[in-house]
Amino acid sequence: AQSVSQHNHHVILSEAASLELGCNYSYGGTVNLFWYVQYPGQHLQLLLKYFSGDPLVKGIKGFEAEFIKSKFSFNLRKPSVQWSDTAEYFCAVNGNNRLAFGKGNQVVVIP
Amino acid sequence: SAVISQKPSRDICQRGTSLTIQCQVDSQVTMMFWYRQQPGQSLTLIATANQGSEATYESGFVIDKFPISRPNLTFSTLTVSNMSPEDSSIYLCSVDTTRGGEAFFGQGTRLTVV
Repeated sequence: AQSVSQHNHHVILSEAASLELGCNYSYGGTVNLFWYVQYPGQHLQLLLKYFSGDPLVKGIKGFEAEFIKSKFSFNLRKPSVQWSDTAEYFCAVNGNNRLAFGKGNQVVVIP
Repeated sequence: SAVISQKPSRDICQRGTSLTIQCQVDSQVTMMFWYRQQPGQSLTLIATANQGSEATYESGFVIDKFPISRPNLTFSTLTVSNMSPEDSSIYLCSVDTTRGGEAFFGQGTRLTVV
C-alpha cells in the first residue's frame, strides 16, 4: 500500500518569506505525484503534478516541486509567498489508480 | 477537466439516521471516487464507484455502512447509514479523467451528526 507523509502541519510565515513543504511517500513501483491546494471555502484544486521527465516541475502561482526518487520525496517550494497563499496544501501519490493523500499543511501567511 | 457538483453542501443529522450525498459530473467519466476527510486528518478513500457493478471498498469501509450507487457515467450517490457522531466529517466526490492522472474534486459535503 502507498502512504504519504507531510510534516509541520501548521506553518505561519510573513509575506515575501520563502516556503518549503516536505512530502515523502512510500510505494514500491512507479508513481504519479501531486500537490493539491484548498483555499478557504473552496474545493481542492491541483497545484502541480509530476508524471515523468524533468523532476523539477512548475505549477500555478509561482509554486514548484522537485521529485527526488532516491529520497522518495516531492517537496513543494515557493520563493516568496503572498497573503493569498494562505491555504491547506496536500501532497498526493497515485501508484495503483488510487490517490493517497498526506495529512496536509495548513499555511497561514501574515500580511 | 471536469466540474463536479455535490449536494447537500452541509447537513446536521440525528444519530441513527441516514444521509445520501449526490455527485453530478459535467462529463462522462470512468473513475469516480468517494473520500472522507475527518477533522485534522488526511483524505481517506472510501470506495471506487463502478458504473454497472458494485463499488470497490477500501479496507475499513463496508457496503452496509456506505452504500454507493453509480447508475451512469455522470452520477453517483454515497449514503452514510445509521450515523453516529464519529461519522461527522467532510465527504468528497472525485473523478479521475485520465486513469492515474489528475483528480478533480467536488466542494464536499460537511456532515455533522448530533
